[in-house]
Order: sequence, then C-alpha cells, then structure tokens
Amino acid sequence: GQQVMQIPQYQHVQEGEDFTTYCNSSTTLSNIQWYKQRPGGHPVFLIQLVKSGEVKKQKRLTFQFGEAKKNSSLHITATQTTDVGTYFCAGNLYGNNRLAFGKGNQVVVIP
Amino acid sequence: DAGVIQSPRHEVTEMGQEVTLRCKPISGHNSLFWYRQTMMRGLELLIYFNNNVPIDDSGMPEDRFSAKMPNASFSTLKIQPSEPRDSAVYFCASSFLEGFGNTIYFGEGSWLTVV
Repeated sequence: GQQVMQIPQYQHVQEGEDFTTYCNSSTTLSNIQWYKQRPGGHPVFLIQLVKSGEVKKQKRLTFQFGEAKKNSSLHITATQTTDVGTYFCAGNLYGNNRLAFGKGNQVVVIP
Repeated sequence: DAGVIQSPRHEVTEMGQEVTLRCKPISGHNSLFWYRQTMMRGLELLIYFNNNVPIDDSGMPEDRFSAKMPNASFSTLKIQPSEPRDSAVYFCASSFLEGFGNTIYFGEGSWLTVV
C-alpha cells in the first residue's frame, strides 16, 4: 500500500537556527498537505501543495513539493519556541480520497 | 463556526468494558474520519465515511471496533470489549470532499485509557 515516510522522526533544534523536515512517498501524489500538532493538541492544517515543484511560504515556513510529486519538504528559519510540536505530511494518490499520513517529525526547541 | 466536537475528552475504563466515542463533524462537511494515535504507530486511519456511508474501514483493527454514522451530524466509534492495548488518543475529523485535496479538520481528541 501507499506509504508516506518522514525523516527525521525527531529533531532537537536550537532556538534561532533553521531546520528542514522531509516527506517521501513511494508513489506519485496528487497533492501534499502539512499539519502541525502541538504537544497535547490535535493536528492542525498548515498548507496544501498541488503543483509539481510548487513552493509556498508562510512567514518563516517554506513548503516545497518535488518535481516528481513524490517528495516534499518543510523548512523553518529562525526557529522559535512556538515551533515546538510534531509536523505531519499527508498525501493523496491520484483518484484516491484516502489521505495517508506520515508518522510525523517531532521537533523540540532548545532555548 | 464550531469545529469538530468530540466526547468524551478523557475516559478511563476497565478492561472488558464497552467504550463509545462520539463525534459531531463540522456542519456542511460530507466526509468524516476516525483516527487513532499512539506513540508506537503514529496516526492511523481507522475508518472514513462519505455522505454517511462507510467507504474504507480497512484500518479498523478487529471486530471489537465498530463505527456508525446514522446522520450527517453524528458518528460513534465503539470498542467492545475494550483492552489495555486500545489505550490511545482517538481523533475524529471531517472535511468537505470535492475532487482531491480535501483539507481535514480534526477534533480535539478523546484520550482513552483502558486499565
């Protein structure tokens, strides 16, 4: 079955530094979504990418969808303590409405 | 607008007891999802409904789990009998499904502990 894999699974990031988390699929995706879950909270939608090679920015967050639509990345600059949480990517196969989530990248920010 | 509403928020029950989790999706959404989250297995899709009809229940772990959606504004996930390994956070989520790329809105979750 479809698998969406995220690396790394855990990250410790110094406050003020940049970091990137990656998402890879074994098959071509029609779209990729990113969610953030704060500790003790629930996943909250951040963004969706649809086009090959698409890049979107939200303040310090930059999201990219690969040219082959099989991978994606989330890059955060100048990390703040509010960035702590688990970042999930999720994707749909073409013609499949089932959204497959990765296992998430748990980010701890060190003040 | 109210988001996805789940109840109970927290439940502690004894092994063998029946557990019923409830969900009210966002009004106007036509798809509803039940997810289970644990440290070991991450976020797993248990079942999803489209227009109140179960579409994919391949994630339901075993016969002890059942889900219903009698109308567009209510769904239940039942575990009978419950076991300690069922301890997890259960999220209900809803979306408006049109084509592909449906954004999913999660409820705050039901934290289940089976002792």
